[in-house]
Amino acid sequence: QLQLQESGPGLVKPSETLSLTCTVSGGSITSRSYYWGWIRQPPGKGLEWVGSFYYSGDTYYNPSLKGRVTISADPAKNQFSLKLGSVTAADTAVYYCARHADAGLDHCDYWGQGTRVTVSS
Amino acid sequence: QSVLTQPPSVSGAPGQRVTISCTGSRSNIGAGYDVHWYQQLPGTAPKLLIYGNNRRPSGVPDRFSGSKSGTSASLAITGLQAEDEADYYCQSFDVSLTSVFGTGTKVTVL
Repeated sequence: QLQLQESGPGLVKPSETLSLTCTVSGGSITSRSYYWGWIRQPPGKGLEWVGSFYYSGDTYYNPSLKGRVTISADPAKNQFSLKLGSVTAADTAVYYCARHADAGLDHCDYWGQGTRVTVSS
Repeated sequence: QSVLTQPPSVSGAPGQRVTISCTGSRSNIGAGYDVHWYQQLPGTAPKLLIYGNNRRPSGVPDRFSGSKSGTSASLAITGLQAEDEADYYCQSFDVSLTSVFGTGTKVTVL
């Protein structure tokens, strides 16, 4: 059974970089069949797609994040990471990692439990 | 920013049928891309409910159904149950090479 688990600091200071890691078990992030992504949810608000990647290195980002976001992969550890720079209070959210069910930005069939990140000094 | 619009809330009595709309544009739903639906119970991660407009993953009751027409899609819940009280989100793909979510709808069982 595929499992995803987010990890990282729960508190980040304004203007700093938010760094999260998603550890995948029960499947490989280098599979040619899937994309992998990050989705976030601010407190009391809806879901927002952050970005996704494919094992080949292709990455896709939400343009609203204006170049602050980078997603990278570590195949040796079967992990992928999210870095979001110059954070503000607006980046406070629960961050989920997920698997897109097909080789595209398709529906997400597996999700991590989410990790809460607060941006505050 | 969400580019798929949903009603903030819908409600119904147990056993009734409710529908949730998801309105997009010619750059996403109207471009022919599939619509997917998720159910999010309080404090939990979203769960895939409908994919490919009208397909149910294994284990999802057939009380849930989806449809799509033009630039919109709908999720229907028939035989509403107390356990269906949750937030529901639609999702699609946009020609700008982005994944887009709906604004979300809270379903209340009266």
